[in-house]
Amino acid sequence: KAGVTQTPRYLIKTRGQQVTLSCSPISGHRSVSWYQQTPGQGLQFLFEYFSETQRNKGNFPGRFSGRQFSNSRSEMNVSTLELGDSALYLCASSSAGTGVSPLHFGNGTRLTVT
Amino acid sequence: AQSVTQLDSQVPVFEEAPVELRCNYSSSVSVYLFWYVQYPNQGLQLLLKYLSGSTLVKGINGFEAEFNKSQTSFHLRKPSVHISDTAEYFCAVSDLKTNAGGTSYGKLTFGQGTILTVHP
Repeated sequence: KAGVTQTPRYLIKTRGQQVTLSCSPISGHRSVSWYQQTPGQGLQFLFEYFSETQRNKGNFPGRFSGRQFSNSRSEMNVSTLELGDSALYLCASSSAGTGVSPLHFGNGTRLTVT
Repeated sequence: AQSVTQLDSQVPVFEEAPVELRCNYSSSVSVYLFWYVQYPNQGLQLLLKYLSGSTLVKGINGFEAEFNKSQTSFHLRKPSVHISDTAEYFCAVSDLKTNAGGTSYGKLTFGQGTILTVHP
């Protein structure tokens, strides 16, 4: 099976712009989660989607949003980018949900905001 | 609320020596624990998980971990490390919610990571 695919791998944006990141989960996986990884804050949960519905959300401002399509692919959007949004954004899929079925991570999208 | 503390930010060790990476957690609900490894410029890869049953859990690449409920710990061990084990290791705890349909789901709370450096 192909793993979790995230595109693009690298992005450079300017403050105030918006960005969309894409994630294709492992075939058959219905749950997609997003995490932000920074040197200062470590790995932080953004949100989880299951069958096109957001069912869990972390403590991030409303500028961070996401969605999931009927084929389980997911996108994450960040509007009005700030310098502090520079991070590695990791997508992870699982068969049923984070709690019991393990997460399979993609290699991430590294976002740099200048 | 859950939290995870990885007691060592960096662990240097020589090749073929044993290693222990320490992890303590706090949680008010049933605990599901995980160890993940991250190699440079890559995502996280699952090493092992504890969901229930035997407190000694064996994972990939010769790693194992022991769940100790009384000490709220989940330390990762390997009896003999290799250069290729050099990476960052993350301990994580999962909460669980159950929706009206009886489906369980949750999110992972990660520790700050431990950088394991294996020297020749």
